[in-house]
Amino acid sequence: QKEVEQDPGPLSVPEGAIVSLNCTYSNSAFQYFMWYRQYSRKGPELLMYTYSSGNKEDGRFTAQVDKSSKYISLFIRDSQPSDSATYLCAMSGSEGAAGNKLTFGGGTRVLVKP
Amino acid sequence: DSGVTQTPKHLITATGQRVTLRCSPRSGDLSVYWYQQSLDQGLQFLIQYYNGEERAKGNILERFSAQQFPDLHSELNLSSLELGDSALYFCASSVSTLNEQFFGPGTRLTVL
Repeated sequence: QKEVEQDPGPLSVPEGAIVSLNCTYSNSAFQYFMWYRQYSRKGPELLMYTYSSGNKEDGRFTAQVDKSSKYISLFIRDSQPSDSATYLCAMSGSEGAAGNKLTFGGGTRVLVKP
Repeated sequence: DSGVTQTPKHLITATGQRVTLRCSPRSGDLSVYWYQQSLDQGLQFLIQYYNGEERAKGNILERFSAQQFPDLHSELNLSSLELGDSALYFCASSVSTLNEQFFGPGTRLTVL
């Protein structure tokens, strides 16, 4: 079983809809949670970074973390065709022997149709 | 643009060869990370350097090695290349070891 599970999609939504993405994880040592956006064959772009349970909002993006359930979510409001990409969740633990390497989910491919 | 630069963008080589990938972190970032992205394995952590010293290792093959230089740029050396080493190789950087990581554009390696 992978440490981080993410539905590969594709997730197809009409323009203007809310995109809902999520990841589950099994390692309770994970303390820091990130969402990245990756366009085809490009470098991952950091969207959201959080380290506590609860919600964090940034523009059209809202990240939710529920450490008790080991579940994180990303919501994208008013989705645009330019949001079509693969979204990767990533997690890391506190610094220690493992450093703060990121463990990634497999990514969810999102298609926003005009 | 994340501020992290990687060269070359593309690399095509033959099995058994050796290549060097280069990464320059964002200005002020002391930590550099290397990741490999393949279709079947996704994004996998290889190795981390902090201010010139190795900090953490992932599932990095013995044929692979890296270093971080005094000017903080880093190089990833891949030797005795095999077909299965074909992948995207990303470098990321962060200010210290507990901050968010910013990724470069990657180097696409094709081993024929």
